[in-house]
Amino acid sequence: DGGITQSPKYLFRKEGQNVTLSCEQNLNHDAMYWYRQDPGQGLRLIYYSQIVNDFQKGDIAEGYSVSREKKESFPLTVTSAQKNPTAFYLCASSKTPSAQYFGPGTRLTVL
Amino acid sequence: AQSVSQHNHHVILSEAASLELGCNYSYGGTVNLFWYVQYPGQHLQLLLKYFSGDPLVKGIKGFEAEFIKSKFSFNLRKPSVQWSDTAEYFCAVNADSGNTPLVFGKGTRLSVIA
Repeated sequence: DGGITQSPKYLFRKEGQNVTLSCEQNLNHDAMYWYRQDPGQGLRLIYYSQIVNDFQKGDIAEGYSVSREKKESFPLTVTSAQKNPTAFYLCASSKTPSAQYFGPGTRLTVL
Repeated sequence: AQSVSQHNHHVILSEAASLELGCNYSYGGTVNLFWYVQYPGQHLQLLLKYFSGDPLVKGIKGFEAEFIKSKFSFNLRKPSVQWSDTAEYFCAVNADSGNTPLVFGKGTRLSVIA
């Protein structure tokens, strides 16, 4: 099946720990994106990558890091520097010209 | 910078009522426009999109949206809602130049009651 997978679905982290969220796509899309969804705030862009080995900061990149070593994969690391990491994280991909397609999301809770 | 405004935070309708959700964007250039829906417990799905051409766009599940360039608007409509339309609806825009990220509105929660 073609699509975007995110794992894990639920993630719990202690304060002060880094954690990495996985995002994989087999749609042969060039671009991939990470968004954060908070109640009443819509989706806000964390990082995006239009091509392998290149990525750009979005509106709320502080406390996050990414890598894009393969076309299919765009992992997001939530570092201990992120002040309010509890949120729903959504990964998306797209191929020009096209809409973005979203994965099922990872709900991160910091204990 | 682009921005998207969705006028209603929460809309409550009875089944069979007509729906119109407002969306206005701020951007000076050519844009692509989208409506996404998030059903309870499910991931974001594309409802419809506008790239160019006919400004009245038809999407899945009987939804449509009209692009009015002079008003910078892309309102979502459905003539008769069903209980199963209960969801959160997001309007989004990106610049019409390659794989640029989407800018989302804050969403409108639709509750349809029997």
